[in-house]
Amino acid sequence: KAGVTQTPRYLIKTRGQQVTLSCSPISGHRSVSWYQQTPGQGLQFLFEYFSETQRNKGNFPGRFSGRQFSNSRSEMNVSTLELGDSALYLCASSFGREFDEQFFGPGTRLTVL
Amino acid sequence: AQSVTQLDSQVPVFEEAPVELRCNYSSSVSVYLFWYVQYPNQGLQLLLKYLSGSTLVKGINGFEAEFNKSQTSFHLRKPSVHISDTAEYFCAVTPNTGFQKLVFGTGTRLLVSP
Repeated sequence: KAGVTQTPRYLIKTRGQQVTLSCSPISGHRSVSWYQQTPGQGLQFLFEYFSETQRNKGNFPGRFSGRQFSNSRSEMNVSTLELGDSALYLCASSFGREFDEQFFGPGTRLTVL
Repeated sequence: AQSVTQLDSQVPVFEEAPVELRCNYSSSVSVYLFWYVQYPNQGLQLLLKYLSGSTLVKGINGFEAEFNKSQTSFHLRKPSVHISDTAEYFCAVTPNTGFQKLVFGTGTRLLVSP
């Protein structure tokens, strides 16, 4: 079956702009989690959506937001971009239980200039 | 809250040699433990996980890990590595609270040379 897909794969933005990233989960998966990966901070949990509801969130400012649609596809939005938002953004999908395997997409590489 | 410490940022090893990647965690509640691998320009792939039961867990690609509750460790091992095992390895935990919120370690880069 098809894996987790993320679009776009690469993005270049300037400070102050906003950006929207998209994630399509594996068919049948209802949970989508987002992670930020940077060389300095490593992998950090942003938030998780399950059945269109945000079920959990990490310690990121309100500029980071997300949503999930009825088909489980998810988007995350970052407003007022800062240089420090440059990162690889990974999404992962699963059936949603804490012991389920999360399947990761290839990520979106965001560069903020 | 949970935290994960991977003691080695980089581990160089020769092909066909054994390897151990170390992971220690801290948590005030029970957790599930995972090891993920990340190849260059790719997302993460699950190697293995510990939920309960036998403390020795076998995963894909010949990897195994042992859960040690008293030492709060979950070290990853492979008896004989291949060049293709060169990658970044992440240890992660999630509290068993009904939904998953992975807390990752900083990663260990395994460098396998001929």
